[in-house]
Amino acid sequence: DAGITQSPRHKVTETGTPVTLRCHQTENHRYMYWYRQDPGHGLRLIHYSYGVKDTDKGEVSDGYSVSRSKTEDFLLTLESATSSQTSVYFCAATAQQQVDRCLAFFGQGTRLTVV
Amino acid sequence: GENVEQHPSTLSVQEGDSAVIKCTYSDSASNYFPWYKQELGKRPQLIIDIRSNVGEKKDQRIAVTLNKTAKHFSLHITETQPEDSAVYFCAASISHKLIFGTGTRLQVFP
Repeated sequence: DAGITQSPRHKVTETGTPVTLRCHQTENHRYMYWYRQDPGHGLRLIHYSYGVKDTDKGEVSDGYSVSRSKTEDFLLTLESATSSQTSVYFCAATAQQQVDRCLAFFGQGTRLTVV
Repeated sequence: GENVEQHPSTLSVQEGDSAVIKCTYSDSASNYFPWYKQELGKRPQLIIDIRSNVGEKKDQRIAVTLNKTAKHFSLHITETQPEDSAVYFCAASISHKLIFGTGTRLQVFP
């Protein structure tokens, strides 16, 4: 699992409330990612980080923000949760094995339900 | 930005047959192409990858081919077994931004 843990593993929240998901890694990886997984859509990139305080948007970033104040932690915040954000969220981190070869390892996933 | 298309969405094969999953990407600057396997209820796990300066790579029953000109890459599984049943994802990376295809559900029937 390359030392990547997500918390919480499951969460039910109400529409309109803010939610923060945490990704913690112990391998000092530089790059970290947040994806959401939905049937028929595969894994879609929400945001990613290429260093402390360095983040960029992915394919589906609207309604989400991220922060990375330490190398080991990457937080995903749903500013005002909506039912369309019900999904399984995966965090990933990449270990650079060689130039242009970055192996991505995933956390266990967080199942979020917005009611 | 990069877009990755993956086909087919589902694939059923008899045990022992071969399976092929195909992906195309849009950004010619993409330079790294991993494949992931996800079993039910689990996290995706890397099974094989290929860099843009390589045309083919094999690892036992699994192989990946890359055609940079056509922006195509494919996963080939030979002598399929029931434990190969899972969802497979292709991905393309440009400057460490990793974009995935929509996945292929492979079912191997005994």
